[in-house]
Amino acid sequence: EAQVTQNPRYLITVTGKKLTVTCSQNMNHEYMSWYRQDPGLGLRQIYYSMNVEVTDKGDVPEGYKVSRKEKRNFPLILESPSPNQTSLYFCASRRIPNTEAFFGQGTRLTVV
Amino acid sequence: EDQVTQSPEALRLQEGESSSLNCSYTVSGLRGLFWYRQDPGKGPEFLFTLYSAGEEKEKERLKATLTKKESFLHITAPKPEDSATYLCAVLTGANSKLTFGKGITLSVRP
Repeated sequence: EAQVTQNPRYLITVTGKKLTVTCSQNMNHEYMSWYRQDPGLGLRQIYYSMNVEVTDKGDVPEGYKVSRKEKRNFPLILESPSPNQTSLYFCASRRIPNTEAFFGQGTRLTVV
Repeated sequence: EDQVTQSPEALRLQEGESSSLNCSYTVSGLRGLFWYRQDPGKGPEFLFTLYSAGEEKEKERLKATLTKKESFLHITAPKPEDSATYLCAVLTGANSKLTFGKGITLSVRP
């Protein structure tokens, strides 16, 4: 089944404790991106990657890192999480940049 | 800066009562417009892509249309299972950025 898989689905952590949210797609898509979704603000792009080893900042990159060493994986790294990073996170992939995005199931992160 | 505005924020319909959801946009160089459906706690699910003004796409009770300034998602004779949040997004720029609206929460009562 074609899908974008994120892990974990739910995570509660403490301020400053490094964490990684994994994202993997099995569709051989070129383009991958991370979004956060907050009430009243909608979906906002954090980082995106147009291909392996090519990543760039989105609208809200502060406090996040990404890497794209393989085509299928695009992990999101929070080196020192803070409470304002409490949010619902989505990974998405597209076959090529101007086609529809396929989203993962989401990761609900709470930083206390 | 690209802007996407969806209206109304929330819509409550009786089963069978047709209506339209609006997505207006202000962008430089629209490359495409996408509609998604999102159920609570889940990822957005793709519905339609529209690439040029005048284009229409249809699927079951849903029909999407596009002009140079806005897009409509028409829902004909909705059912309770159509209750969800509907998102539109515009594709712009050399970096193929997707900018989302805040969504319209649709509730269909039986």
